Amino acid sequence: EPEVTQTPSHQVTQMGQEVILRCVPISNHLYFYWYRQILGQKVEFLVSFYNNEISEKSEIFDDQFSVERPDGSNFTLKIRSTKLEDSAMYFCASSEWGLGQSSYNEQFFGPGTRLTVL
Amino acid sequence: RKEVEQDPGPFNVPEGATVAFNCTYSNSASQSFFWYRQDCRKEPKLLMSVYSSGNEDGRFTAQLNRASQYISLLIRDSKLSDSATYLCVVNTGNQFYFGTGTSLTVIP
Repeated sequence: EPEVTQTPSHQVTQMGQEVILRCVPISNHLYFYWYRQILGQKVEFLVSFYNNEISEKSEIFDDQFSVERPDGSNFTLKIRSTKLEDSAMYFCASSEWGLGQSSYNEQFFGPGTRLTVL
Repeated sequence: RKEVEQDPGPFNVPEGATVAFNCTYSNSASQSFFWYRQDCRKEPKLLMSVYSSGNEDGRFTAQLNRASQYISLLIRDSKLSDSATYLCVVNTGNQFYFGTGTSLTVIP
């Protein structure tokens, strides 16, 4: 069964450093997403991406964050100048259909990258 | 007002019990609805989509009431493996909104 993969599984970084989280979405999916989940809290939407551009972003996704699809398979989230409060689990997801396009736009999640900022 | 609200629980039920979770959403224009389950420190996994006509998948039944902006999930004949957090997810516009989740523990 096709699945979303993410690397690394755990990233430890010093405050102020830049990190890049990597994701490989399901191969025939065209819509990609990043979410974060702070320990003990709910999953929060960060950004959606389609056709090499951002479709939607939340208020959390400020200038500190950027996304990129550098090649045909990877989808990355870059966090510049990390802060202590960026410590969270970051999930990548993909879907075949876009939000608002279909009732069948289920998203499939990767296993997540646990980011720890010291 | 929160986009999606759920009773956080916890629900502790014996094996074989029937348990129901409820969820409300605030935006009447929301377009699609899902239940996901999340095991501790794991990713959310799709359990089922929720359709206006209601839908069933084995022991799981989901219902949607658009007039009341209410979604439910019924689990029959609970198994130990059903222990998890159940997330109500709503697509509104171009975003997915997650509830805080309802914790279920099935006890032997």
